[in-house]
Amino acid sequence: NAGVTQTPKFQVLKTGQSMTLQCAQDMNHEYMSWYRQDPGMGLRLIHYSVGAGITDQGEVPNGYNVSRSTTEDFPLRLLSAAPSQTSVYFCASRGDYYEQYFGPGTRLTVT
Amino acid sequence: RKEVEQDPGPFNVPEGATVAFNCTYSNSASQSFFWYRQDCRKEPKLLMSVYSSGNEDGRFTAQLNRASQYISLLIRDSKLSDSATYLCVVNRANQAGTALIFGKGTTLSVSS
Repeated sequence: NAGVTQTPKFQVLKTGQSMTLQCAQDMNHEYMSWYRQDPGMGLRLIHYSVGAGITDQGEVPNGYNVSRSTTEDFPLRLLSAAPSQTSVYFCASRGDYYEQYFGPGTRLTVT
Repeated sequence: RKEVEQDPGPFNVPEGATVAFNCTYSNSASQSFFWYRQDCRKEPKLLMSVYSSGNEDGRFTAQLNRASQYISLLIRDSKLSDSATYLCVVNRANQAGTALIFGKGTTLSVSS
């Protein structure tokens, strides 16, 4: 039981490049979400999904897309990277009692 | 008023000390409350859920005061390994998908 896995762990992008952050969970959780964490800002919700085929925007969705074709996977796409997207990105899945399990994070730098 | 507010600290305490963190939340309809712990450069991990009657897990005690809309975490007999950032988490009620809202965290540093 791996829990929540994320790849890559580190990434450097140039402004304007696109990429996909991968997230997978093996706990059969319906609810998954993406957060970004910046110094002094705490965790902010980007997008979330309540099940396969259903996604919705969180607090800071601009510049990001998500899809949920399976229960296990919830990738986050950066469409055209900007320096303001330099951050640590956490994927999470939620259990039956609202407790969330986080992946190890992806540290993204956009130059 | 912010949805979830915490004193950022840092709290610097010696080993063996008792330390308490408070957190206030703005949505009176919130029903799920948690404390998470986050070590430097790591992901947040669930420390404990907070129940209306209060709950204890070893050296950690969490309490909820619905009337005043605050949550507390008490750590007794602090250990060096307790040094971390503690995040208060509240659900945003009455919204499809029910997002969890995280406080910015309170930093604890325990020294020998």
